[in-house]
Amino acid sequence: ETGVTQTPRHLVMGMTNKKSLKCEQHLGHNAMYWYKQSAKKPLELMFVYSLEERVENNSVPSRFSPECPNSSHLFLHLHTLQPEDSALYLCASSQDFGGRFSYEQYFGPGTRLTVT
Amino acid sequence: AQSVAQPEDQVNVAEGNPLTVKCTYSVSGNPYLFWYVQYPNRGLQFLLKYITGDNLVKGSYGFEAEFNKSQTSFHLKKPSALVSDSALYFCAVRDRRSSASKIIFGSGTRLSIRP
Repeated sequence: ETGVTQTPRHLVMGMTNKKSLKCEQHLGHNAMYWYKQSAKKPLELMFVYSLEERVENNSVPSRFSPECPNSSHLFLHLHTLQPEDSALYLCASSQDFGGRFSYEQYFGPGTRLTVT
Repeated sequence: AQSVAQPEDQVNVAEGNPLTVKCTYSVSGNPYLFWYVQYPNRGLQFLLKYITGDNLVKGSYGFEAEFNKSQTSFHLKKPSALVSDSALYFCAVRDRRSSASKIIFGSGTRLSIRP
């Protein structure tokens, strides 16, 4: 395993529900990421946190709300989602965020989200 | 602007034969290049990366990749394919001057190894 865990692995929710995805990294990394992976589409970066501070928000709808209480944990709070939000949501971490070094990202197994 | 292309949606290889998964890139500066693999119901797993120096990079599970600056390519290779290599492979690129979040992933190539 990569040292990044995600719960739950599968989630089915109605459009009026509120749920949260959890990610935890055991690698001592300083940067964490949320990605959306949909069929037939490239990987979409949603949010980036560096040392618990949000550094990027790539035009993600407000029905997705991230939270990073510390450098090991990352949450994605979901509310009033749409069926097109159904996808695999991947969490990743990297040693750091700055561009000086070639920090590869380590991914969790993902949460398969189905919005009904 | 930076981009990465994986021209083949699917590559089929017989077990024991060599395999190549193609990747070409475009960046304005010098690149960091990466290969990731995704097995069913799993996240992406880092295989190898090119930073500088030797153009042939060795990674996990016997995979290697060759950096070719003139052709702006970073093809993934393995001398002898295994059935267990069947998975989805992603090439990724990042300009060295940009932050780690500016990595661009290709659309993926599905590798199928037949026994």
